[in-house]
Amino acid sequence: DTAVSQTPKYLVTQMGNDKSIKCEQNLGHDTMYWYKQDSKKFLKIMFSYNNKELIINETVPNRFSPKSPDKAHLNLHINSLELGDSAVYFCASSLGQKGQPQHFGDGTRLSIL
Amino acid sequence: EDQVTQSPEALRLQEGESSSLNCSYTVSGLRGLFWYRQDPGKGPEFLFTLYSAGEEKEKERLKATLTKKESFLHITAPKPEDSATYLCAVQGGSQGNLIFGKGTKLSVKP
Repeated sequence: DTAVSQTPKYLVTQMGNDKSIKCEQNLGHDTMYWYKQDSKKFLKIMFSYNNKELIINETVPNRFSPKSPDKAHLNLHINSLELGDSAVYFCASSLGQKGQPQHFGDGTRLSIL
Repeated sequence: EDQVTQSPEALRLQEGESSSLNCSYTVSGLRGLFWYRQDPGKGPEFLFTLYSAGEEKEKERLKATLTKKESFLHITAPKPEDSATYLCAVQGGSQGNLIFGKGTKLSVKP
């Protein structure tokens, strides 16, 4: 039943480690996104993929690398984690890029020790 | 630069006390203005899309309206289960991503 699902829900790890977050949508959408929500609850776009192609890449450190194996999946790999990476990361999807609502997963809370 | 400002930051209402949330925006070539509801520990839940000035959408106790500079989310006779953070976002013509405001945290007391 879940439309956009992310795993894991919680991720606690040490500084310097590499980690991945997975996202899958079963809505038949062709565009997927990663957003970051900081401690002040402000949501900001990181990446956008349309039909497995990178469309948007905001000013994000190159330690963050998205990968889209197919239209239904968009994973986020983070290398050399830093304290400032602690946040909630949300995956979203939409049908098309312009003017269509985006549907969000429930987020992955990343905590760096 | 596209920008979204929401007010107030927080709003406390008594059950049944109607009110409005404001979303002011600047965007080049509005493709859509979106309202979301976010509960603690959850992702934003889509409520409405508005595309042009004068448009209105309704769902249960919520009604969203749009002008060329701002949108309002009117809450009529709210209930405690309406307590949440309400987010406003705009999408401009240049890119497909949403620009979010910081949200209004609504608390409705019984």
